[in-house]
Amino acid sequence: NAGVMQNPRHLVRRRGQEARLRCSPMKGHSHVYWYRQLPEEGLKFMVYLQKENIIDESGMPKERFSAEFPKEGPSILRIQQVVRGDSAAYFCASSPYSGQEQFFGPGTRLTVL
Amino acid sequence: SQQGEEDPQALSIQEGENATMNCSYKTSINNLQWYRQNSGRGLVHLILIRSNEREKHSGRLRVTLDTSKKSSSLLITASRAADTASYFCAQPITQGGSEKLVFGKGTKLTVNP
Repeated sequence: NAGVMQNPRHLVRRRGQEARLRCSPMKGHSHVYWYRQLPEEGLKFMVYLQKENIIDESGMPKERFSAEFPKEGPSILRIQQVVRGDSAAYFCASSPYSGQEQFFGPGTRLTVL
Repeated sequence: SQQGEEDPQALSIQEGENATMNCSYKTSINNLQWYRQNSGRGLVHLILIRSNEREKHSGRLRVTLDTSKKSSSLLITASRAADTASYFCAQPITQGGSEKLVFGKGTKLTVNP
């Protein structure tokens, strides 16, 4: 049973470009969480999704950031018109039900030049 | 802010010594979780302690919880160089229909061979 998969592992973008980060949850998990980690900081919650639904996006910046978890395929975190401050590690976690242990992926490290 | 705080921020010890890391949190909890993050990698779930538990063991790990002081500690006994990593406590917060994890800033542990 493969763990949580994230790709790409490293992503470099220039200011103004779009970044798309993908997360495939563990088999049988329908709950996905995205977190962001700035250098030397802990992880900060961004958004929680179930299949085809955004349940809690209270940690998402109001502009340029969006997330989806379609019926088929991975969850996508999309950042439009990236700025240098978006440089961070973005982690995805999944769980079988809300309130259960969250299993984390290896993260995507985004660098904005 | 609901964010917990770990101390110390950094800890350097020799192999074979014990390492103790502390975590304080602000709101009442159902459980507290500890994670490890190796440099540049994802998070690994170490141990979950429930609010009605005072102590829990897993191999060389021992976690204690004092709900009256809103604090927890992680003890790693007989440390090894491979224990070098950052350690985070995380508090689940149920809000907006989701249970998200709120992380502290972590303790960076270095175990010197």
